[in-house]
Amino acid sequence: QSVLTQPPSASGTPGQRVTISCSGSSSNIGSHYVYWYQQLPGTAPKLLIYKNDQRPSGVPDRFSGSRSGTSASLDISGLRSEDEADYYCAAWDDSLRGRVFGGGTKLTVL
Amino acid sequence: EVQVVESGGGLVKPGGSLRLSCAASGFPFSTYHMNWVRQAPGKGLEWVSSIRSDSRSTYYAESLKGRFTISRDNAKNSLYLQINSLRAEDTAVYYCAREGYGDSAEAFDVWGQGTMVTVSS
Repeated sequence: QSVLTQPPSASGTPGQRVTISCSGSSSNIGSHYVYWYQQLPGTAPKLLIYKNDQRPSGVPDRFSGSRSGTSASLDISGLRSEDEADYYCAAWDDSLRGRVFGGGTKLTVL
Repeated sequence: EVQVVESGGGLVKPGGSLRLSCAASGFPFSTYHMNWVRQAPGKGLEWVSSIRSDSRSTYYAESLKGRFTISRDNAKNSLYLQINSLRAEDTAVYYCAREGYGDSAEAFDVWGQGTMVTVSS
């Protein structure tokens, strides 16, 4: 059972907008930055969003992040087939004194 | 090119030990905090441990304390993870991840390809 809760799956058709949620608590998302990682099939994770809503260079602006209270979300607009991947949220947790990841959301592009 | 490359994985019997290595290149290794993250087959990501750039502080996932030891050698641009008393549940791909600097501090911005550890008799 992950400290950060994500839906196990999400789906959409090309061009659609998809939102992936990440629910935590006051000891993690409520008081620390949220990070999002994309893991394409058979590859290592890749940083997608840092500090709640910042995109590293090279990440398309179709990807956006936000945080509100103890929850965060990742929005993907203009869905493309190459977005099919697993997405993980992460944050520091004061109670566990360490990093925590969400369980991951498998995005399927129909 | 900025990269980290893990090595040292393999098949180990329960109760055995293993030392994973991560070779960094293309960036000033000694100025970056480093981490280990693992992923069991078909499962999600699990943060394992982190070490500050100067080795003065180390952190471990609560559930893994005692059997895992993270270390680094800045002169060799290398990160290590010693795992003792291996259990079947330690079977996973172990990733080395760099922690960002400045604006992207705390973000895991560079990842290796991972090294597979299989614990089985």
